[in-house]
Amino acid sequence: AQKVTQAQTEISVVEKEDVTLDCVYETRDTTYYLFWYKQPPSGELVFLIRRNSFDEQNEISGRYSWNFQKSTSSFNFTITASQVVDSAVYFCALSEARLLQGGSEKLVFGKGTKLTVNP
Amino acid sequence: NAGVTQTPKFQVLKTGQSMTLQCAQDMNHEYMSWYRQDPGMGLRLIHYSVGAGITDQGEVPNGYNVSRSTTEDFPLRLLSAAPSQTSVYFCASSYIGGGFGIQETQYFGPGTRLLVL
Repeated sequence: AQKVTQAQTEISVVEKEDVTLDCVYETRDTTYYLFWYKQPPSGELVFLIRRNSFDEQNEISGRYSWNFQKSTSSFNFTITASQVVDSAVYFCALSEARLLQGGSEKLVFGKGTKLTVNP
Repeated sequence: NAGVTQTPKFQVLKTGQSMTLQCAQDMNHEYMSWYRQDPGMGLRLIHYSVGAGITDQGEVPNGYNVSRSTTEDFPLRLLSAAPSQTSVYFCASSYIGGGFGIQETQYFGPGTRLLVL
């Protein structure tokens, strides 16, 4: 069975600090996708990144970066120089991908990490 | 494009009442799904559909019905509401990955907050 663990329930930092949100996943599939979504206090879910299991390159987008390590089944998310606007709940999610039938599209979410960035 | 829209934004029901949560998308996405979000639980899949006329159960389907008569709409019905169904409900949609394990990104609606008394 697939499972996503976000061990950090809540994190509080001061503005301009760097912060890493951990995500550990379990799957028996060799082909799968990992996602991060942001849920700001307004409640909507905002897509941040999608990564497939064959691409272990780290990714950087502005102050955001992601570190994917298959050896440890982790897909961690780092915010550099955090800002108050980064305060949100962040979800990591996993889906399997059936090679001959396209993706399964069924997402398994972690329980989320609430990040509070204080001024 | 309006993206994924959900109505209503907020609803209060009494135990035993029925209602339908509406979800629509204008992106011609084949795949649509419903999730519920409960405190400390993340999001859990209720039902999903890979196209008009095709639906299937997710992780927590009990107490909910769905149907998909058009590509655009995917309503979620609560037949007899219970307090345990108090939650925030999200609808999502995406293209279906075209073979070789391609997974498309799901985009979420703004959510419906449901309170069952």
